Amino acid sequence: EDKVVQSPLSLVVHEGDTVTLNCSYEVTNFRSLLWYKQEKKAPTFLFMLTSSGIEKKSGRLSSILDKKELFSILNITATQTGDSAIYLCAVDPWGGAQKLVFGQGTRLTINP
Amino acid sequence: GAVVSQHPSRVICKSGTSVKIECRSLDFQATTMFWYRQFPKQSLMLMATSNEGSKATYEQGVEKDKFLINHASLTLSTLTVTSAHPEDSSFYICSAMTSGGGGGQFFGPGTRLTVL
Repeated sequence: EDKVVQSPLSLVVHEGDTVTLNCSYEVTNFRSLLWYKQEKKAPTFLFMLTSSGIEKKSGRLSSILDKKELFSILNITATQTGDSAIYLCAVDPWGGAQKLVFGQGTRLTINP
Repeated sequence: GAVVSQHPSRVICKSGTSVKIECRSLDFQATTMFWYRQFPKQSLMLMATSNEGSKATYEQGVEKDKFLINHASLTLSTLTVTSAHPEDSSFYICSAMTSGGGGGQFFGPGTRLTVL
């Protein structure tokens, strides 16, 4: 059975801190790994990773994939209260984002 | 970007009633829509894949007679929770893929269902 595991499940830090969120996966087939940010409602897309070792960056957020060790990390530097959310990791086993397998998410809380 | 809407955003109903949730792609055509449910502090679980004009494909463990899905047009899919029970209370999220498929999934804002 395909499985995506995120850690930690919950994290509370102070504004300005840097955080690293982890995502490991065991799947029968792999095309890409996606990160989403979920605030009160639907997830919004952050990154899609397909190749090992290539960092994707967007402002203070960055992510990298290790296909040999089957994991990905999401880094957020200089955190702000607006970064508080659940961060979801999902694996797309077959491509085209048809059937995503989601992890349980990391609830990140940034305190002022 | 592509926008997906859901209606209603919140519904409270009595046990035994049926509830219909609509998912619309507002500015694109979606040949494929997905329905997920999310329990508190848990991940999104795919319930079914809905293709326009054909029967939905349900994931293992999801009762197709309880969760009726209709994808009547390229912009609308509906999920009907029939004879709802308190254990059906959950957050239901739909997502839609563009016709080309390469654009990934765009998520709706979700519907919070509470069954009393």
